[in-house]
Amino acid sequence: QQPVQSPQAVILREGEDAVINCSSSKALYSVHWYRQKHGEAPVFLMILLKGGEQKGHEKISASFNEKKQQSSLYLTASQLSYSGTYFCGTGPDSNYQLIWGAGTKLIIKP
Amino acid sequence: GAGVSQSPSNKVTEKGKDVELRCDPISGHTALYWYRQSLGQGLEFLIYFQGNSAPDKSGLPSDRFSAERTGGSVSTLTIQRTQQEDSAVYLCASRSGSSYNEQFFGPGTRLTVL
Repeated sequence: QQPVQSPQAVILREGEDAVINCSSSKALYSVHWYRQKHGEAPVFLMILLKGGEQKGHEKISASFNEKKQQSSLYLTASQLSYSGTYFCGTGPDSNYQLIWGAGTKLIIKP
Repeated sequence: GAGVSQSPSNKVTEKGKDVELRCDPISGHTALYWYRQSLGQGLEFLIYFQGNSAPDKSGLPSDRFSAERTGGSVSTLTIQRTQQEDSAVYLCASRSGSSYNEQFFGPGTRLTVL
C-alpha cells in the first residue's frame, strides 16, 4: 500500500535537473510532496489533486497522472538548498489520511 | 504566529518506563497528526485527530501507545512500558480544516530508550 518512490537517492551537481517519482498501486485522490532536511521537520512543497488542481510553491513543479497512479516532482536548475529527502504522501480517497513513501534522498554538490 | 511546537526535543528513558510527548499545534488548526520516524526511514502514521470527531487510531503499533487531545488543541502521546524499538523521532503535524491544506510539522521529539 505504501507508494514507491524512485530513485532512492540521487546526486547532482548544482544547476542540473532531477525528477523524483511516486507510484501507487491504488487509485489516488491526492499526492502531497514534502522535503525534509537532515535533523529538521518535513516542509510542504506541493499538493496535487485528482482533476488537476494544484497548490504549491512557485519554483516547484510536479505532475499527477491519475490513470497511471503516479506523480513526478521536477527540480530544475537545482540549487544547494534543494538537498534533502523528498517524501510523497498519497491519499487514496478524499479523507485526510496520507500514506507516505520511503523518501528520495537528493544530494546537490557545488 | 508560532508554528507547531513539541516538547521535549529530546528524551532519554530506560526500558520499561512511561513517557509523555507533547504537541502544541498552530492555533485554529483542527486536524492534528502524530507520526513516528525511525532513523533514515519514512513517516509512519500513528494517530489522527480532527475536530471533535473520534480519533483515527489505526496506526498505533500496540496498546502501549495512546494519545489524547484536550480542548481541540494540545495533544499528548503517551508510550507505556517503553521498549528499545520505540526509539525514534516522533513528529506532530497540524492542518487547518480544508483537506487541501498542507500539514505543518513540528520539530519532533527524539526518543531514545536505553
